[in-house]
Amino acid sequence: KAGVTQTPRYLIKTRGQQVTLSCSPISGHRSVSWYQQTPGQGLQFLFEYFSETQRNKGNFPGRFSGRQFSNSRSEMNVSTLELGDSALYLCASSLSTADEAFFGQGTRLTVV
Amino acid sequence: AQSVTQPDIHITVSEGASLELRCNYSYGATPYLFWYVQSPGQGLQLLLKYFSGDTLVQGIKGFEAEFKRSQSSFNLRKPSVHWSDAAEYFCAVGPPAYSGGGADGLTFGKGTHLIIQP
Repeated sequence: KAGVTQTPRYLIKTRGQQVTLSCSPISGHRSVSWYQQTPGQGLQFLFEYFSETQRNKGNFPGRFSGRQFSNSRSEMNVSTLELGDSALYLCASSLSTADEAFFGQGTRLTVV
Repeated sequence: AQSVTQPDIHITVSEGASLELRCNYSYGATPYLFWYVQSPGQGLQLLLKYFSGDTLVQGIKGFEAEFKRSQSSFNLRKPSVHWSDAAEYFCAVGPPAYSGGGADGLTFGKGTHLIIQP
């Protein structure tokens, strides 16, 4: 079956703009989590959605938000982009919250 | 708060030699434990996981890991590495299901960069 699909793969944005990233989970998976990966901070948990509800959120400012649709697809949005938001954003899906997570290839966001 | 320590930032191993990557964790209870591998510019691929039961778990690509509760460790091993094993390896912990599940998502170590010498 198809894996986790993230679009777009690459993005270049200007400071102050906003961006929306998309994630399509594996069919049947209801939990979608988002992670930010940077060389300095490593992999950090952003938030998790399960059945359209945000279960929890990591230690990120309110500029980072997300949502999940009834088909389990998820989007994350970053408003008022800063240079420090440049990162690889990874989406992971799982059957339920505590099951193993399968990761997509990520979206590489560059803020200039 | 939970944490994961991978003490080795870089490890260089000769092709065909054995490998052990170290992982120590701090968690209030026995967590779910994972090892992921990441090739440059790619996402994470799950190598193996430990939820409960047998403390020696087998994964894909010939990897195995042993959970040692007394040492809070979950070290990854492979008896003979191949050049294609060169990548970044991440150990991660997640909340066990009985706690109600992924309130905090996965907590990752900083990763170990594996270099394979010919």
